[in-house]
Amino acid sequence: DAGVIQSPRHEVTEMGQEVTLRCKPISGHNSLFWYRQTMMRGLELLIYFNNNVPIDDSGMPEDRFSAKMPNASFSTLKIQPSEPRDSAVYFCASSQVGGGYTFGSGTRLTVV
Amino acid sequence: RKEVEQDPGPFNVPEGATVAFNCTYSNSASQSFFWYRQDCRKEPKLLMSVYSSGNEDGRFTAQLNRASQYISLLIRDSKLSDSATYLCVVNQNSGNTPLVFGKGTRLSVIA
Repeated sequence: DAGVIQSPRHEVTEMGQEVTLRCKPISGHNSLFWYRQTMMRGLELLIYFNNNVPIDDSGMPEDRFSAKMPNASFSTLKIQPSEPRDSAVYFCASSQVGGGYTFGSGTRLTVV
Repeated sequence: RKEVEQDPGPFNVPEGATVAFNCTYSNSASQSFFWYRQDCRKEPKLLMSVYSSGNEDGRFTAQLNRASQYISLLIRDSKLSDSATYLCVVNQNSGNTPLVFGKGTRLSVIA
């Protein structure tokens, strides 16, 4: 298994631009989590899905952030418009019920 | 009060030393507990689960004290390769609910 696959690995964009982060979970895993990591705040949960259904999006910072999971093998996290304070590493993780998390390699986002 | 609190470190220790990390959690209903390891510019990876009776995996020993809401990780005979950030992690419910991560404790093992 290739593990959780995230793209792109790095993204540098200008303030105001739309950013789309992508995640392919491990086949057979029915939960998917989006986290954001910064030095100041550590790893923070943004949103998670069970069986492709969003369960809790209370961690999404504001309306500029949205996430979708159209099928069991793909999810996106979109920021529109992006701001410099969105700069962080964004991790996607997947798991089976009762199982451990597997994280993707993350997307390092820089908004200038 | 943060849900999971850790001393950020850094802990700088010589090779062969024993080092202990501590963590406290705020939700007394928390169900399961873990230590994750994160190398620089990499993703977190599961190091070990933490059980009420305490558990050991080679040089690593994890302990849980539910009454004090306290978790510990002991590393014996430190190796250079143990240098990383160690994240204390709590699951507040059973099933597929999100893990809550501490901000991590940074360890540097020095030759």
